[in-house]
Order: sequence, then C-alpha cells, then structure tokens
Amino acid sequence: QQPVQSPQAVILREGEDAVINCSSSKALYSVHWYRQKHGEAPVFLMILLKGGEQKGHDKISASFNEKKQQSSLYLTASQLSYSGTYFCGTEIRSTLGRLYFGRGTQLTVWP
Amino acid sequence: DVKVTQSSRYLVKRTGEKVFLECVQDMDHENMFWYRQDPGLGLRLIYFSYDVKMKEKGDIPEGYSVSREKKERFSLILESASTNQTSMYLCASRDTGGGTEAFFGQGTRLTVV
Repeated sequence: QQPVQSPQAVILREGEDAVINCSSSKALYSVHWYRQKHGEAPVFLMILLKGGEQKGHDKISASFNEKKQQSSLYLTASQLSYSGTYFCGTEIRSTLGRLYFGRGTQLTVWP
Repeated sequence: DVKVTQSSRYLVKRTGEKVFLECVQDMDHENMFWYRQDPGLGLRLIYFSYDVKMKEKGDIPEGYSVSREKKERFSLILESASTNQTSMYLCASRDTGGGTEAFFGQGTRLTVV
C-alpha cells in the first residue's frame, strides 16, 4: 500500500529548485507531505484534498492530480533549512483514516 | 502544544524477550498508528487503531500485536523480540475526518541483541 516516491535523493545548491513526486495505484482521498530532519520526528508540511488542488507553504508548494493519483512537491529557491527527508503520505478512499507513507526522498542543500 | 509521547527514546532488549513500546497522545484523537522506519524503506504501517479496543493490521503486522485500552494510549507489543525487529518505531495520532494531519512522537530506537 506504500505510495511510490521519486527521486530517492536530490542534491541541490542554495537557490535551486526541486520537484519530488508521489504516486499511488489506489484511488486517493488525500495526500500529505512531511519533512523529517535527522534524529527528529516527521513534521507536517501540507495536505491536499481535491483533484488538481495546489497549496503553498512559504516557497514550498504541492499539487494533487486526483485522476492520476499523483502528487508533486515543489521546492523553489531552496534554502539550507530545506535539507531533510521528505515523505508523502496517502489516504486511500477505500480505507479512510489510514495513512501510508512512501520510502522518502533525501534532499541535501549545499551553500 | 499538541503532543505525542513515546515512553523510551532508546531501548535494548534480548532476543526472545517480550517488549512493550508505549505511546500517549494528549489531543483526544481517535486514530493512532505504529510505524516502523528503516533506511531506504521509509515508514511502514504496522498497526492502526481507530477507537478504543479497535485495531487493524497494517502492511507488516507479523511478529507484533497492539493494545488500546484507553483512548490516549496505544501500545505496540513484540511478543518474542528478534534481531530483525531492530528498528526505529514511530507512533502517530490524528483526528477523525479525512484530511487531518498526523502528529508524530519522537520515536523509539529499539535494538534487539
């Protein structure tokens, strides 16, 4: 039931952009994005609920294509503080309440 | 400030021991989760509980059981710990209603020797 995330890892310079993708084979109700820094708990970034919905959080935004069961996280003009592992979490329509997370994307931003 | 608290940050147990991992949330959430986090495998759902005494298996329930006698507390039990259960265990909770965020505990790093 795990969604598929890509890429596995991204290395950026400060100021560069990145896109992280998440897809599921199941019909989705919502997509969640979290960031986890080393040794810490995952921290919530945003939830997307509706088809085609886009949300923003500072210079981090995301889209959700309900028809394709895909979501993308966009990191614009990356900062050092963006480094960490990003997880997408999916809530499947047939099993509302449960959250399944992907394998994560490790993002490293260098000065 | 919302809180999910796991009883131990680090735990070392011997093979064959019965192990209890405790998680308490103070947000009156109906839903609670136990995940296992391993490098390269992400967060894998072990068990999910949507109410007191109600539980459902996740993707990797083998070798684990859970207990939820009170709304705020969700326990993960390793009946007979094995070395392949050495991992980081994360507890989470969230409110009922689709589209609510999950709150995570700090995690328990369990080593089985």
